[in-house]
Amino acid sequence: EDQVTQSPEALRLQEGESSSLNCSYTVSGLRGLFWYRQDPGKGPEFLFTLYSAGEEKEKERLKATLTKKESFLHITAPKPEDSATYLCAASGAGSYQLTFGKGTKLSVIP
Amino acid sequence: NAGVTQTPKFQVLKTGQSMTLQCAQDMNHEYMSWYRQDPGMGLRLIHYSVGAGITDQGEVPNGYNVSRSTTEDFPLRLLSAAPSQTSVYFCASSRTSGLTGELFFGEGSRLTVL
Repeated sequence: EDQVTQSPEALRLQEGESSSLNCSYTVSGLRGLFWYRQDPGKGPEFLFTLYSAGEEKEKERLKATLTKKESFLHITAPKPEDSATYLCAASGAGSYQLTFGKGTKLSVIP
Repeated sequence: NAGVTQTPKFQVLKTGQSMTLQCAQDMNHEYMSWYRQDPGMGLRLIHYSVGAGITDQGEVPNGYNVSRSTTEDFPLRLLSAAPSQTSVYFCASSRTSGLTGELFFGEGSRLTVL
């Protein structure tokens, strides 16, 4: 059974304080690892796709990386507008189904 | 460009009632899906469709029915609502079946079953 585990559940940062969110996965034949951002009362918004170990993707203050067992979402010098819940999801070989983690709720304090 | 539109945004039902959550996308996406999101749990796939006339079950299909008569629309039917179906429901689509991880989500439909 595919599993995706995110840590920590919640993270409070001061504005400008860089940190990382973790996503550990157990998926047979990983086809893709995906990061989403979800604001309160909204649907998730797609951020990144990572396909193979060693791959990195960047967008503004966010950088996603992938190893054979986990993915990290690095947040550099965060701003209050980065506050959201970040979701990680994985897709295995031969499946149309995504397995989502429970998310990390990030709060950036001014 | 509206993207993925879900209606209604809020609904309260009594146990045993039936209803349909509507989902429409205007991006000509091939793949559409329904998820539910519950506190303390990840998003879980209910049903999905890889094209008009084709549907399949996800992780938690019991108590729900879907159809895909057009590319644009993918309604989710609750046959006989139960309190366990209280949740936030999201419809999501992607351009092709091969890109099922790069999903566009609607804003959600919050359902309460009393």
